[in-house]
Amino acid sequence: KNEVEQSPQNLTAQEGEFITINCSYSVGISALHWLQQHPGGGIVSLFMLSSGKKKHGRLIATINIQEKHSSLHITASHPRDSAVYICAVRSGVGKIEGSNYKLTFGKGTLLTVNP
Amino acid sequence: GAGVSQSPRYKVAKRGQDVALRCDPISGHVSLFWYQQALGQGPEFLTYFQNEAQLDKSGLPSDRFFAERPEGSVSTLKIQRTQQEDSAVYLCASSHSTGNSYEQYFGPGTRLTVT
Repeated sequence: KNEVEQSPQNLTAQEGEFITINCSYSVGISALHWLQQHPGGGIVSLFMLSSGKKKHGRLIATINIQEKHSSLHITASHPRDSAVYICAVRSGVGKIEGSNYKLTFGKGTLLTVNP
Repeated sequence: GAGVSQSPRYKVAKRGQDVALRCDPISGHVSLFWYQQALGQGPEFLTYFQNEAQLDKSGLPSDRFFAERPEGSVSTLKIQRTQQEDSAVYLCASSHSTGNSYEQYFGPGTRLTVT
């Protein structure tokens, strides 16, 4: 079983719809990242969070540490939101500075928003 | 300021050739990471540098893979005697430090195709 599982793998939505992408992980973590990757492009960091909820524009990320689960929500989706969304966890709770660096990634969720 | 840059963006190599992939991190960033992303998969950790020191190379898939960062800035990932299974996108990321509060900034990647 992968340490980081995302669902769904593929998601198609109509413009304006509310989108939810889920991420579950099985290890203790110190932080969780949501990343966006456009076809042929690099990866852009959307959020880094270790508790609670963060919001940036139409994007909202939540995390429940006890349940080892995080969600990424997109409100009023737009075709330009079409991309792969990747969840990554930084594991190593309590490790000393310098060792808590490794990211473990999910396989990503391919989101297509149609006009 | 400039982000992380990688060159070349695309590389086609014949099986058995050696390749060298370059990463220019954000100026002043202490930490540098290399990841390998196979088609349809999330990135996987290859190696980690703190300044010029390679602190973790546990993700390098074989001794054909070698990475260096001799002056603590630019890094090169070298793959000797390339094989078809080496075909992937190679991503470089840099970070100001390694603590929880520092994000990783990704480059656009180098897409390697081994024929």
